[in-house]
Amino acid sequence: DAKTTQPTSMDCAEGRAANLPCNHSTISGNEYVYWYRQIHSQGPQYIIHGLKNNETNEMASLIITEDRKSSTLILPHATLRDTAVYYCIVRPSPYNTNAGKSTFGDGTTLTVKP
Amino acid sequence: DTAVSQTPKYLVTQMGNDKSIKCEQNLGHDTMYWYKQDSKKFLKIMFSYNNKELIINETVPNRFSPKSPDKAHLNLHINSLELGDSAVYFCASSQDFTGASTDTQYFGPGTRLTVL
Repeated sequence: DAKTTQPTSMDCAEGRAANLPCNHSTISGNEYVYWYRQIHSQGPQYIIHGLKNNETNEMASLIITEDRKSSTLILPHATLRDTAVYYCIVRPSPYNTNAGKSTFGDGTTLTVKP
Repeated sequence: DTAVSQTPKYLVTQMGNDKSIKCEQNLGHDTMYWYKQDSKKFLKIMFSYNNKELIINETVPNRFSPKSPDKAHLNLHINSLELGDSAVYFCASSQDFTGASTDTQYFGPGTRLTVL
């Protein structure tokens, strides 16, 4: 899997947008960018994923640069319950023999403050 | 309804003991996984089963033996527990391993294992 680098921690004011960056400069053409988060003492939770195009769902938006070497997860209106560790991982295409072998990195601890 | 459940939630045991952690998913998924999260919060895949068949076996001591009696269950048995086995173990499942364009994993709540 391509390695990812994320800032260790970030703060965000409640109600504001939280923008979490991720660098994945060694990503290859068939690898997807996935975002998960882990709220304290719970299992990781899927947020969103993408390949090339920007994606949006009910939880967040994912902006992937044109060269695919970095991405940004956007939580449009952060709430206190969004305080968690956010993991950006790069995973091979499901058709790749390495599919599923994703290891989560250190992640970014996002703290949403009132 | 709990999608992915694990038992027990906490497990405290002595070095050298043998213990098992159970995982069940009611999502109808074909693939299940075991992850280990150490004290540094690094989450690393250990095993994956697809339709009861082992497909991923990362570099894990052979004291760890997964067993999948059916595709809804993936249990983890650990022999001769060591101090370094202390961690949180997460089970996860996904719909399809190779066919879908997504491989969204759903995680269980975790089992905190403490070896004394």
